[in-house]
Amino acid sequence: DMKVTQMPRYLIKRMGENVLLECGQDMSHETMYWYRQDPGLGLQLIYISYDVDSNSEGDIPKGYRVSRKKREHFSLILDSAKTNQTSVYFCASSLIPGTANSDYTFGSGTRLLVI
Amino acid sequence: GQQVQQSPTSLVLQEGENAELQCNFSTSLNSMQWFYQRPGGSLVSVFYNPSGTKQSGRLTSTTVIKERRSSLHISSSQITDSGTYLCAPTSGGNYKPTFGKGTSLVVHP
Repeated sequence: DMKVTQMPRYLIKRMGENVLLECGQDMSHETMYWYRQDPGLGLQLIYISYDVDSNSEGDIPKGYRVSRKKREHFSLILDSAKTNQTSVYFCASSLIPGTANSDYTFGSGTRLLVI
Repeated sequence: GQQVQQSPTSLVLQEGENAELQCNFSTSLNSMQWFYQRPGGSLVSVFYNPSGTKQSGRLTSTTVIKERRSSLHISSSQITDSGTYLCAPTSGGNYKPTFGKGTSLVVHP
């Protein structure tokens, strides 16, 4: 069953703690994404990864970093979490983006609360 | 960067009525994708249409690049169509998709 798996599904962290969000896919997709979704702001791209160690900033990269050491795994790291990073985080993967066969697949999301 | 506007923000229909969702974008695009999201749920791609008109079942999408707009038409709406529909044009050489804020659709029996 082709899918994108996000862990954990729910997470509560204190301000200043480090946060690691994990994402895995079993489709050998080259491209992977991290988004956050907030009411009124929609879905915003944090980082995009075109393959292993080939990462590019999205629209809101400040306060985040990513790691992709294997094609099937893409991590989002928040160093010293802030309360304004409370959000729902979605990971996604695709084949060549912008094509009919892009096969965009989203994970179920991680709900992060920073207190 | 790409600016995306979706309208209407929300739409309430009776089962069987048709829905017309609009997406306007500010710059030329490589592709246009429409996604469906259940409340509190993940996103599922429902349509890929970079130009012209395409139909799949009860869904029809029309993208007019020159006018910088795309639409998603849902015919004979069903209760299970309820949710949020987001458009995501992709532009530029880096193919980064930009999402609109979505149209929330509620279909009543």
